[in-house]
Amino acid sequence: VVMTQSPATLSVSPGERATLSCRASQNIDTNLAWYQQKPGQSPRLLIYDASTRASDIPARFSGSGSGTQFTLTITSLQSEDVAVYYCQQCNWPPYTFGQGTEVEIK
Amino acid sequence: QVQLVQSGGEVVQPGGSLTLSCEASGLSFISFGMHWVRQTPGKGLQWVASIRNDGTGDFYGESVKGRLTVSRDNSRNTLYLQMNNLRPEDTGVYYCAKDRWRLTGSFDSWGQGALVIVSS
Repeated sequence: VVMTQSPATLSVSPGERATLSCRASQNIDTNLAWYQQKPGQSPRLLIYDASTRASDIPARFSGSGSGTQFTLTITSLQSEDVAVYYCQQCNWPPYTFGQGTEVEIK
Repeated sequence: QVQLVQSGGEVVQPGGSLTLSCEASGLSFISFGMHWVRQTPGKGLQWVASIRNDGTGDFYGESVKGRLTVSRDNSRNTLYLQMNNLRPEDTGVYYCAKDRWRLTGSFDSWGQGALVIVSS
């Protein structure tokens, strides 16, 4: 399954909404996860099963979608949200990641 | 609090071998599937291998099948990645990661990463 993320880079003003997209090349139901990776750090799980927030993840992060189209939304972007965000299909091995969306502050 | 502490990254010549390890604490290790993921400048995050919680099944990415072997010692709370016949394209940061449960395919804890450089 090929995962395609868009856009490659997203510039958002503080307090504004960021919308990230992820498309799967075939139906993966809701078997999708989102990760956040800050510079110099390991990835961190944000969302699993397409829309369930992982432990200790702020409510401003939300996921939606099913089948082949998925969205990660960050409402009210904070400076600490600057990172690269990856989607990953969890349907079955081989698990595949998207190429990432870099979120920056405008 | 779950912690995954990795060791083993280094510079290796093409065709060489290396074993990475990942020691887990703060969890019932035998309850969870485990994974290896690598990050390379050219290809981003790439899933490498997975192993079931009890070690009865393992799975590999196509590019590493037959050369890399994942294993675990549940008595030592430790995950391993045996890497043989290494190639320059295996260069990258290798992360161990814990599954949310047996083998959901989503990874809720990650090690700090181990840098492997394959070069002569």
